[in-house]
Amino acid sequence: DAKTTQPTSMDCAEGRAANLPCNHSTISGNEYVYWYRQIHSQGPQYIIHGLKNNETNEMASLIITEDRKSSTLILPHATLRDTAVYYCIVRVPYDYKLSFGAGTTVTVRA
Amino acid sequence: NAGVTQTPKFQVLKTGQSMTLQCAQDMNHEYMSWYRQDPGMGLRLIHYSVGAGITDQGEVPNGYNVSRSTTEDFPLRLLSAAPSQTSVYFCASSYSPPGDYGYTFGSGTRLTVV
Repeated sequence: DAKTTQPTSMDCAEGRAANLPCNHSTISGNEYVYWYRQIHSQGPQYIIHGLKNNETNEMASLIITEDRKSSTLILPHATLRDTAVYYCIVRVPYDYKLSFGAGTTVTVRA
Repeated sequence: NAGVTQTPKFQVLKTGQSMTLQCAQDMNHEYMSWYRQDPGMGLRLIHYSVGAGITDQGEVPNGYNVSRSTTEDFPLRLLSAAPSQTSVYFCASSYSPPGDYGYTFGSGTRLTVV
C-alpha cells in the first residue's frame, strides 16, 4: 500500500467546513483513497472512498487532485460530534488489509 | 441487526494467563479481522479470515491464535498473556472481497496485562 501523510492535528469551528488534507504521492493507478474516523474510545468508522473522481455522501465530500497525489476530506458543517481522529488510507479494493497511520486529530470547538 | 459485537469490553489478566476475546457479526460478512491499537498509535492487523475455515496472519500475529468455524464468529486467543499485549483490540468485518464497501468495526475490548 502507498503511504500517506497527514497533519498531526487541526482545529475547526463548529458550523464551519473542515478541510482535512492527505498526501499520497506514491499512490498507484489501481489504489483507492479511503477515509475512516475514530471517535474517542470507539471503533473506526468508514466515511468515504474514491479513485479519481470527487465523491460525496451524507457524511462528507472527497476531493482528489487530478494527479491523484493528494486529496482533501471535507466535512461541510462540522459539529462537536465530529471531533475524532481521521485516517486517510490508500489501498486496492481487493486488499483485505487496512494500514492505519497516526491520522489527524480534529477538534471541533464551539 | 447488532453489527459487530465484541466481548468482554474490559479485561484484566495476569502475566501467563490465557483468554479468548469474542467477536460476532450478524451481517453475513465473509471477511473478519482483528486489530490492536496501542496508545497514540494507529491500528495494526493481527489476524484475518476470508471465510469459515480460512485464516491468515497480519502484521503482528505473535502471541495470538485464531480459528473460524462459523461465518458469524471469529475469536482471538491469547495463549500466554504478556504486558506487551496490553492494548485495545478491535474486531472488523466486511463483505469479501471488501470492494467498495467499508469495514464495520466493533466497539473494542480493553485488555490490561499485569
